[in-house]
Amino acid sequence: GAVVSQHPSRVICKSGTSVKIECRSLDFQATTMFWYRQFPKQSLMLMATSNEGSKATYEQGVEKDKFLINHASLTLSTLTVTSAHPEDSSFYICSARVGTGLRNQPQHFGDGTRLSIL
Amino acid sequence: QKEVEQDPGPLSVPEGAIVSLNCTYSNSAFQYFMWYRQYSRKGPELLMYTYSSGNKEDGRFTAQVDKSSKYISLFIRDSQPSDSATYLCAMVGGADGLTFGKGTHLIIQP
Repeated sequence: GAVVSQHPSRVICKSGTSVKIECRSLDFQATTMFWYRQFPKQSLMLMATSNEGSKATYEQGVEKDKFLINHASLTLSTLTVTSAHPEDSSFYICSARVGTGLRNQPQHFGDGTRLSIL
Repeated sequence: QKEVEQDPGPLSVPEGAIVSLNCTYSNSAFQYFMWYRQYSRKGPELLMYTYSSGNKEDGRFTAQVDKSSKYISLFIRDSQPSDSATYLCAMVGGADGLTFGKGTHLIIQP
């Protein structure tokens, strides 16, 4: 149980393109989903917390107009990287928390999306 | 000082050895502690999840938390080549998102 599916797994596109990444909880409902970014040999860094039916909460230094998050249902959150540039190239990973959004429930992760902007 | 410190390794041990992985942290607000395993180009896979100080065992894995020292450990017994991966400690407290260590790259030599 607690499977999180992320799509696509790999994106290569030109600078200026907008890219949408989907994160789905397959066998549970997730009121809260999270988006992380991981640069090579670095920790996963939280970008934003996505709550179903409300606006996402962004971490300091993350541009909300560049990284658009939509959490329209209890099983789907999307991250759109708008007008992507080479410095946005990274490994983007989503996670979902089982249960009713309590902090004491562990997060389960998707397999990530490797984004390369040329 | 970073919130979570974890030696990135690599840590190389022979098959069958006991592996000890560790993290230290500075934020007293962290209350829940997790260990994830990450293979190359994959998302993290939850291995262990603990709250209170003490030990928690699951098969070959034992997680240990010492809140007074702000120190957590993961022990792997009878290590196998398939255990070769990056092991990430993570913790959560007052905020919702997880704070991760850098990860330790573990290599089990056959």
